[in-house]
Amino acid sequence: DTEVTQTPKHLVMGMTNKKSLKCEQHMGHRAMYWYKQKAKKPPELMFVYSYEKLSINESVPSRFSPECPNSSLLNLHLHALQPEDSALYLCASSQDSRFNQPQHFGDGTRLSIL
Amino acid sequence: DQQVKQNSPSLSVQEGRISILNCDYTNSMFDYFLWYKKYPAEGPTFLISISSIKDKNEDGRFTVFLNKSAKHLSLHIVPSQPGDSAVYFCAASANSGGSNYKLTFGKGTLLTVNP
Repeated sequence: DTEVTQTPKHLVMGMTNKKSLKCEQHMGHRAMYWYKQKAKKPPELMFVYSYEKLSINESVPSRFSPECPNSSLLNLHLHALQPEDSALYLCASSQDSRFNQPQHFGDGTRLSIL
Repeated sequence: DQQVKQNSPSLSVQEGRISILNCDYTNSMFDYFLWYKKYPAEGPTFLISISSIKDKNEDGRFTVFLNKSAKHLSLHIVPSQPGDSAVYFCAASANSGGSNYKLTFGKGTLLTVNP
């Protein structure tokens, strides 16, 4: 069982919809991450939160809006997405992004944009 | 420009034999390396890591070797088991220039262990 929980597992949405992906961890980690993974490709970093503050934004389009309400939760708000945004969205956490440590991943949300 | 390369898309081995997965990198700033295993419909699972100050790290059936001069690392699985069949990602970590470390992943190698 993964210790990083992502909901929903699957999401289908139209290009005009607004939806949110959720991620939760209870390991006491203070760093949380969003990755995007396309088929047959490696995970690509989107955002890093460190101590609930956004510390890295990898030039992600503004139609993706991250939010970290507290140290256990991470959201990704979606609005006006494009078909090319269809992918697996992975959340991860680590003890502290200021140090080299393993990141622990959730099982992802499979997103399809119609 | 791929900074972490896994040049073998797939590898097939017999149960009980050794599996060797390879990874090359180009960025000299990488100082921490990890291997992840991924089953279909699941997220990557952390397997083993190695710091750049070491050349070997062992955990049970898994051993990672690092050759800094060649910018090469490998994962050895001995003995291989059918349950090891999965996609294996190599990842490398470097400071992003601020105060945070970022992971860069290779494309993965699909390992199939045949009974």
